Amino acid sequence: EAGVAQSPRYKIIEKRQSVAFWCNPISGHATLYWYQQILGQGPKLLIQFQNNGVVDDSQLPKDRFSAERLKGVDSTLKIQPAKLEDSAVYLCASSLDRSRTDIRGELFFGEGSRLTVL
Amino acid sequence: AQSVTQLGSHVSVSEGALVLLRCNYSSSVPPYLFWYVQYPNQGLQLLLKYTSAATLVKGINGFEAEFKKSETSFHLTKPSAHMSDAAEYFCAVSAPKAAGNKLTFGGGTRVLVKP
Repeated sequence: EAGVAQSPRYKIIEKRQSVAFWCNPISGHATLYWYQQILGQGPKLLIQFQNNGVVDDSQLPKDRFSAERLKGVDSTLKIQPAKLEDSAVYLCASSLDRSRTDIRGELFFGEGSRLTVL
Repeated sequence: AQSVTQLGSHVSVSEGALVLLRCNYSSSVPPYLFWYVQYPNQGLQLLLKYTSAATLVKGINGFEAEFKKSETSFHLTKPSAHMSDAAEYFCAVSAPKAAGNKLTFGGGTRVLVKP
């Protein structure tokens, strides 16, 4: 079974430029998450989708970050314009069904997209 | 709201020695607790989880963790470290009855294994 796919793996941009990251979750996984992991810190949830609807985007800086999951499968996270403090690894994760308590918290993560803003 | 605190951002152990990683949680409701591991340049993968059943939880690669409500702790242990255990370990908490699978992670503990 294929895992969570993310691209690009690495991206270097100048501040104020824009960048987009793509994620394809495990087939059949209804829930998709984007996490931001700043160096030396634990991952922080940016946005969570259930199918193509947003469940939680309370920690997404909406003035510069946007995300979509139009067909309920793959997703794109965009940053425009980027700031120096956006340098981080952006992790995409997926899970089967957020309502199932037996698998609650069992997320499958991609390898991440490392962003460096200069 | 839930939170976790991992004591020690770096731990160095000798091969064959005990690995002990500390995690304390804060939660207004009985929590679910998790340990995830992240190998270099890889995503996180689930080691083990506590979901209100047995307080001693066994995971993959010989790791186990014990839930202690009185101490609000969920420390991770492995009796004998192997070189392949070098990685970063994250403790995480979620609220069982909250919507979704939202996990709140600790800051992580990087484990170095010396030969």
